[in-house]
Parts: sequence; C-alpha cells; structure tokens
Amino acid sequence: DVKVTQSSRYLVKRTGEKVFLECVQDMDHENMFWYRQDPGLGLRLIYFSYDVKMKEKGDIPEGYSVSREKKERFSLILESASTNQTSMYLCASTAPTGLGTEAFFGQGTRLTVV
Amino acid sequence: RKEVEQDPGPFNVPEGATVAFNCTYSNSASQSFFWYRQDCRKEPKLLMSVYSSGNEDGRFTAQLNRASQYISLLIRDSKLSDSATYLCVVNYGQNFVFGPGTRLSVLP
Repeated sequence: DVKVTQSSRYLVKRTGEKVFLECVQDMDHENMFWYRQDPGLGLRLIYFSYDVKMKEKGDIPEGYSVSREKKERFSLILESASTNQTSMYLCASTAPTGLGTEAFFGQGTRLTVV
Repeated sequence: RKEVEQDPGPFNVPEGATVAFNCTYSNSASQSFFWYRQDCRKEPKLLMSVYSSGNEDGRFTAQLNRASQYISLLIRDSKLSDSATYLCVVNYGQNFVFGPGTRLSVLP
C-alpha cells in the first residue's frame, strides 16, 4: 500500500514562530503537493513539486515556502506563523500524471497558531 | 468563477435513497477526473475515477460530459456508511484541483 506520512497530527504554535511540516512518501512518486483545507473553501494548493529540488507555486503560496531535497520528502515551511494560517494541512503524492493517476494523501496536520 | 464547483449541500437523505452530486469545471484542458470521499477529520481517499463512457462500481455511478464540462456521481440505495463529504477532482498537467465538496448525511 502507498503510504504518505505527515510528521504530526496536531500542532500548536505561537505567532511569529517558524514552523516545519514534514511529509514522507514511500512509493517513489515524482509529484508531491501541499494543500490547506478550510471550512467552506475546500482544498487549496499551496505548493507542489514534480522533482527533487523543483517547486511550483500553487494558488496560495504567500507566507509559505517548501523544500524537496530528497524524492521521498516534501517539507512545508511557515516562515513566521500567523493566526490566519490556522488550518488543516494535507500532503499528497502521485506518480507522473497520466490518465487515472490517483493522488494519495497523508493523514493531515491540524495546525493552530495562537 | 472557481475552477471546480459542486452542489453546496449538505444533503440529508434517508437510508435507501438515491442521491446525485453534480460538479462543473472551467478548464477545458482538464485530462482526468475523480470523485474522492472524505470522512470527518480524515484525509480524502479515492472513491472512483471518472471516464468519458461513464463507469459504475457497485452502487456508485460516475458520468463525464466533456462538452458541458460536467461530472456527476450517483449513489443508489444509500447506506449510513456513505455519510461523508464527496470531493470532485480535476487533473490537468501536474495539478489536481479540488472542488469544495458536498456533504452527505444518510439518516436512519
């Protein structure tokens, strides 16, 4: 089974802290994604990466950065956490895009910034 | 206009009912289409892919109309365990775009 693992289920951080969310997948997938999910807004893409050291901005990259030093690991960084970044963060991975490619998700990290 | 739109919901239906979800997408270059299911406080999981010819998996039927840029999901004989949020997902290039989801509650 494909496994996508996020480092924490729940996190509480203070405003201004630098926050790292880690995601690891074990299926040798090229593509990895970070989304945030908020009530009424659905999943919104923050960043994605289609190869090691490659990254592309999604729809809402402001306030975030990412790192992909190894194929299996994709990190999301909140440079200076703010309360409006309180959300559920979901990491996903896929094989190279083709017809019927499935996205596999991690269990999510619920981040609260106080 | 959002790239992927869905019925706002929530849908509250009795057990055994048939329920249909609708989804429209704006990018005509979209290549692949999916329905995902998300249980409360869980991650989304693939329910089924959607093919141009339409496809069925047990009580679930998905349809795609590329000309109208419209996707549907039909659930027959709904069960209590079908209660979840259903996400319409569209893929183009390297990107997956999610609809906001439609929540379904199946009531005893």
